[in-house]
Amino acid sequence: GDSVTQMEGPVTLSEEAFLTINCTYTATGYPSLFWYVQYPGEGLQLLLKATKADDKGSNKGFEATYRKETTSFHLEKGSVQVSDSAVYFCALRHNTNAGKSTFGDGTTLTVKP
Amino acid sequence: EAGVAQSPRYKIIEKRQSVAFWCNPISGHATLYWYQQILGQGPKLLIQFQNNGVVDDSQLPKDRFSAERLKGVDSTLKIQPAKLEDSAVYLCASSALRDRANGYTFGSGTRLTVV
Repeated sequence: GDSVTQMEGPVTLSEEAFLTINCTYTATGYPSLFWYVQYPGEGLQLLLKATKADDKGSNKGFEATYRKETTSFHLEKGSVQVSDSAVYFCALRHNTNAGKSTFGDGTTLTVKP
Repeated sequence: EAGVAQSPRYKIIEKRQSVAFWCNPISGHATLYWYQQILGQGPKLLIQFQNNGVVDDSQLPKDRFSAERLKGVDSTLKIQPAKLEDSAVYLCASSALRDRANGYTFGSGTRLTVV
């Protein structure tokens, strides 16, 4: 079945540092890929998405590129802020299985001033 | 637009008791999902509705969990009887289309503690 593997956390960075959170997936066919962010006490919010190979999703300074050859969708940001501290989830949504999503276990990011 | 509404936000019950969670999706969203998020893990799908019909409930522990979506709008998830391992955040999400290009809109979740 489908699966998503994220780099284990927690990740602690200083403000303005470069961020990379790795995500790889296993799936048949051509799923869409997503990054969600979860702030304390809240539900998940969609951060960015990519629907086909080589697409780049971007939002709020975050970027991720759909790499089919390496089955990866790594999240990057050039300069993190304290307000970026949250849990980040990588997910795929398959065209079969009635459009349900499979999520990774999340990576906790803490940014220190 | 209003987001996905869930209630209650928190619930503490003793094992073997019953509990119910409520979800109101975004207006017009035909697809509704219930996910279970155990601490330190990603969300795991329990059940998916399309309008008021069940599309996927393969991961729902049917001996103790039940869910319904009457009239294709609000949904209720029930656990009876609860076990200690049911302690988790229960997330409701909705989506306008089954198109894989769309992400979900999540509610804030209900945090259940079973003692």
